[in-house]
Amino acid sequence: AQTVTQSQPEMSVQEAETVTLSCTYDTSESDYYLFWYKQPPSRQMILVIRQEAYKQQNATENRFSVNFQKAAKSFSLKISDSQLGDAAMYFCAYSGNQFYFGTGTSLTVIP
Amino acid sequence: DVKVTQSSRYLVKRTGEKVFLECVQDMDHENMFWYRQDPGLGLRLIYFSYDVKMKEKGDIPEGYSVSREKKERFSLILESASTNQTSMYLCASSLLAGFSYNEQFFGPGTRLTVL
Repeated sequence: AQTVTQSQPEMSVQEAETVTLSCTYDTSESDYYLFWYKQPPSRQMILVIRQEAYKQQNATENRFSVNFQKAAKSFSLKISDSQLGDAAMYFCAYSGNQFYFGTGTSLTVIP
Repeated sequence: DVKVTQSSRYLVKRTGEKVFLECVQDMDHENMFWYRQDPGLGLRLIYFSYDVKMKEKGDIPEGYSVSREKKERFSLILESASTNQTSMYLCASSLLAGFSYNEQFFGPGTRLTVL
């Protein structure tokens, strides 16, 4: 069965610094997709970034980038130049035959 | 922009009551999902639907049922609410049938409290 593990329940970062959120997954499928979602306090969940497993190049969206290591089944999210608005719960998600979410990492941004 | 709306942001019900949570999406998406979100457990899939009148069980379907009579609307039903169903319920939709590249678009959530 596929599983998604986020081992950091909470993280904090100084404003303007860089932070990396970890995610590992387990699968026997060769074709799948990975996502990072952001859930700000009392606001809707939105997609931050997605990665197709067959693509070796790491996805990037402005200040957000991923480090995708397929052999290690690792999919970390790097947030550069952290801003106060980045404070949120971040969920890693896997999409193959089914869709699985990790348990989330709560990110605090310190002014 | 895709809009996914849920009928209530907050709901308080009593044990044994029948509870209906409604979700509507406005972008003609094929897939619709119901999740339950609890601290430390992340999002857990209750049911999903890939077409009108079609439904599939997710990881935790016990105590829940669903209805999809129209493509844009997906309802979650708690036949007899219990205190352990107190949780945040999230509805989502995605464009194509099946799990794939397509991102899921989420509603604002309904925080249900069962007393």
